[in-house]
Amino acid sequence: QKEVEQNSGPLSVPEGAIASLNCTYSDRGSQSFFWYRQYSGKSPELIMSIYSNGDKEDGRFTAQLNKASQYVSLLIRDSQPSDSATYLCAVNDVEGTGANNLFFGTGTRLTVIP
Amino acid sequence: EPEVTQTPSHQVTQMGQEVILRCVPISNHLYFYWYRQILGQKVEFLVSFYNNEISEKSEIFDDQFSVERPDGSNFTLKIRSTKLEDSAMYFCASHRGLDGYTFGSGTRLTVV
Repeated sequence: QKEVEQNSGPLSVPEGAIASLNCTYSDRGSQSFFWYRQYSGKSPELIMSIYSNGDKEDGRFTAQLNKASQYVSLLIRDSQPSDSATYLCAVNDVEGTGANNLFFGTGTRLTVIP
Repeated sequence: EPEVTQTPSHQVTQMGQEVILRCVPISNHLYFYWYRQILGQKVEFLVSFYNNEISEKSEIFDDQFSVERPDGSNFTLKIRSTKLEDSAMYFCASHRGLDGYTFGSGTRLTVV
């Protein structure tokens, strides 16, 4: 069984600061990594996907992957109160293809303080 | 932007009753999933479906659960005899096989 570990938080940052969210995974064979945002009572919403070691930037979001350390992170720059949500790290097996399930972490609850 | 549609949004049922949760995946997606999230817990995989058959299922997906794609658009999850511990949010998801999954808005199932 694959394990995906995240600090549950809550993580509180002031508005405009950088929020850093971390995730580790147990299966060295994992190849695809995703960050989802989930507002309370809502469904997960895909923010970022990353497949290769290094950084991937999309607007205020940067995902970082280090397969050797089995570590993936999400940085949110210029944090806004609307970023307050639970951030879910998810891992699957196949590089963006195939009918493979996602394994989710428990999520990190982020609060951005105005 | 295309959406995965789920109905109903909330269903209350008595223990032992059968429920059917419905999903309309995005039309050009090929892979379909059901996940569930018990309140305060992680999102858990139930079952994946491709080419009109189950690809993979978790330990949670026991004989009480079944999935169908009765026509070209709908994808259903049936729970034959609900238990109190089946109370959860059930999410349908789909993807084409190129990137992350799109989740539906979910069905909140309450078993009383």
